[in-house]
Amino acid sequence: RKEVEQDPGPFNVPEGATVAFNCTYSNSASQSFFWYRQDCRKEPKLLMSVYSSGNEDGRFTAQLNRASQYISLLIRDSKLSDSATYLCVVNRGGTDKLIFGTGTRLQVFP
Amino acid sequence: GAGVSQTPSNKVTEKGKYVELRCDPISGHTALYWYRQSLGQGPEFLIYFQGTGAADDSGLPNDRFFAVRPEGSVSTLKIQRTERGDSAVYLCASSLGTSGRREQFFGPGTRLTVL
Repeated sequence: RKEVEQDPGPFNVPEGATVAFNCTYSNSASQSFFWYRQDCRKEPKLLMSVYSSGNEDGRFTAQLNRASQYISLLIRDSKLSDSATYLCVVNRGGTDKLIFGTGTRLQVFP
Repeated sequence: GAGVSQTPSNKVTEKGKYVELRCDPISGHTALYWYRQSLGQGPEFLIYFQGTGAADDSGLPNDRFFAVRPEGSVSTLKIQRTERGDSAVYLCASSLGTSGRREQFFGPGTRLTVL
């Protein structure tokens, strides 16, 4: 089993739609959680950290369920510019090492 | 300000050759990370430095891979006797510290192709 698992997609949604991505992690000792965004042939960039209480940044909402070892990202009112791959990232428990999922590809169409 | 830079952006080499990939982190960032990303996969951790020392090199796939950061700034990833399976994008990232909560800023990567 992979340490961080994501549905690779692609998710094809129209502009204005709401879309949700899920991610599960296997190491219960993990303490840090992030969503990174990666555009085609570009480097990953931090989208948002994920906090235990859940957090929101504009159209983006991230949630963490420690009991189920599950992280989610919700994107409301999708824009064409949201088209990218979204990487779920977790630190390996007890270390500063980040483990990346394979990414979920999102394609927003007009 | 300047971000993380990596050179070369592309490197094509032949099987069995030696290559060096360079990373110049953001000024003042003490932590530096190397990752490898294959097509359709997320970045895979290789090694990270805190200052000049390798704090964790458990991700290096074998002893053909080696990395240095002699002055605590620029880092070089060295690959000996390259194999076709080494073909990937090699990403470097830096952060202000090694706390797992700190944002890592990535460079544009070096695309390595081993023929």
